[in-house]
Amino acid sequence: DGGITQSPKYLFRKEGQNVTLSCEQNLNHDAMYWYRQDPGQGLRLIYYSQIVNDFQKGDIAEGYSVSREKKESFPLTVTSAQKNPTAFYLCASSPRPLPYEQYFGPGTRLTVT
Amino acid sequence: QQQVKQSPQSLIVQKGGISIINCAYENTAFDYFPWYQQFPGKGPALLIAIRPDVSEKKEGRFTISFNKSAKQFSLHIMDSQPGDSATYFCAASMLRGSSNTGKLIFGQGTTLQVKP
Repeated sequence: DGGITQSPKYLFRKEGQNVTLSCEQNLNHDAMYWYRQDPGQGLRLIYYSQIVNDFQKGDIAEGYSVSREKKESFPLTVTSAQKNPTAFYLCASSPRPLPYEQYFGPGTRLTVT
Repeated sequence: QQQVKQSPQSLIVQKGGISIINCAYENTAFDYFPWYQQFPGKGPALLIAIRPDVSEKKEGRFTISFNKSAKQFSLHIMDSQPGDSATYFCAASMLRGSSNTGKLIFGQGTTLQVKP
């Protein structure tokens, strides 16, 4: 059963703590992406990776970090430097860059208080 | 220039009616325009996509109309059904050469409710 898994579905953290969101895919896709979704703002790209050991900043990378040590994994760390971290985070993957479809995971809702 | 503006923010349609969602962009370098559908608590899924070399693309009850000169494109859902109730996102990107990073610029989203 192929797909993208994100865990956990809900995550709660105290302000000032770093937190890492998991994203795993077994689709053998080269490219992976992290988006942030806020009400009324659509999806905004945080980081993306086209191959292992390489990644680029998206539009809102400040306060976030990623790694791509394995093809199937692309974890996102939300650091204490992110001023407004509470959001719905979506991971996606595609076999190649566009126009190949980006397949999205079910998302992780992060709440920081 | 990188923005994609989507309207309306929310839409209520009777079953069997036509749902229309509009998007506008500024960057003329955009040459790939997908629409994604998202159900509550789920990730978005690709619904249909268009390239600017055609003015219309139809897949079942879903049609994209594209107006290159106006820099606008729209999604039409014919014979709307309650199961179509979801949030719809338009997006835009560039496919050409080194600009093809897979980066999608999303609109703000439209929440569609189809009443039985």
